[in-house]
Amino acid sequence: GAVVSQHPSRVICKSGTSVKIECRSLDFQATTMFWYRQFPKQSLMLMATSNEGSKATYEQGVEKDKFLINHASLTLSTLTVTSAHPEDSSFYICSASTGAYEQYFGPGTRLTVT
Amino acid sequence: QQQVKQSPQSLIVQKGGISIINCAYENTAFDYFPWYQQFPGKGPALLIAIRPDVSEKKEGRFTISFNKSAKQFSLHIMDSQPGDSATYFCAAVGLQTSYDKVIFGPGTSLSVIP
Repeated sequence: GAVVSQHPSRVICKSGTSVKIECRSLDFQATTMFWYRQFPKQSLMLMATSNEGSKATYEQGVEKDKFLINHASLTLSTLTVTSAHPEDSSFYICSASTGAYEQYFGPGTRLTVT
Repeated sequence: QQQVKQSPQSLIVQKGGISIINCAYENTAFDYFPWYQQFPGKGPALLIAIRPDVSEKKEGRFTISFNKSAKQFSLHIMDSQPGDSATYFCAAVGLQTSYDKVIFGPGTSLSVIP
């Protein structure tokens, strides 16, 4: 139980284009979903938190117009990187919570912007 | 005050040995302390977690020791195996506003050599 999927697992896009990453909780309803990015050999950095039907809450320093988050249902959240640039290349990971302390993490999406 | 410190940054242990990773926190509002294991190119997976009302929790070869007064906790991996080679993150969680944030430590890269 408590499986979170992400799609795609890898994506390569050209600079200036937008890319959407999906995060799904497969066997539970997630009241809250989180988006992280992780650079090589570094820890996870929380980007934003989203609750179903509400606007996402972004961490300080994260551009909300660049990283659009939509939490359309209790099982789906999407992260859209708009006008991507090479510096946005990173490993993006989502997690989902039922409101208890445990968070269940997705397998991650490797974004490469050329 | 939100920071979680973790040491060592990297650790090499011989097969069958004990791996020990230490963490410390400042914020006494934290009340849940999970450890995550992450393999390269994958999302983190919950390994074991503890609440501050207990001093030790053991699951198989993995043990968390918790010292509430010192605000420190550690992960012990007994009989370490090459398959345990991964990055380990300690974390702290506390109920904040309307959602729970996971504050990650910087990570420890563990290599278990045969």
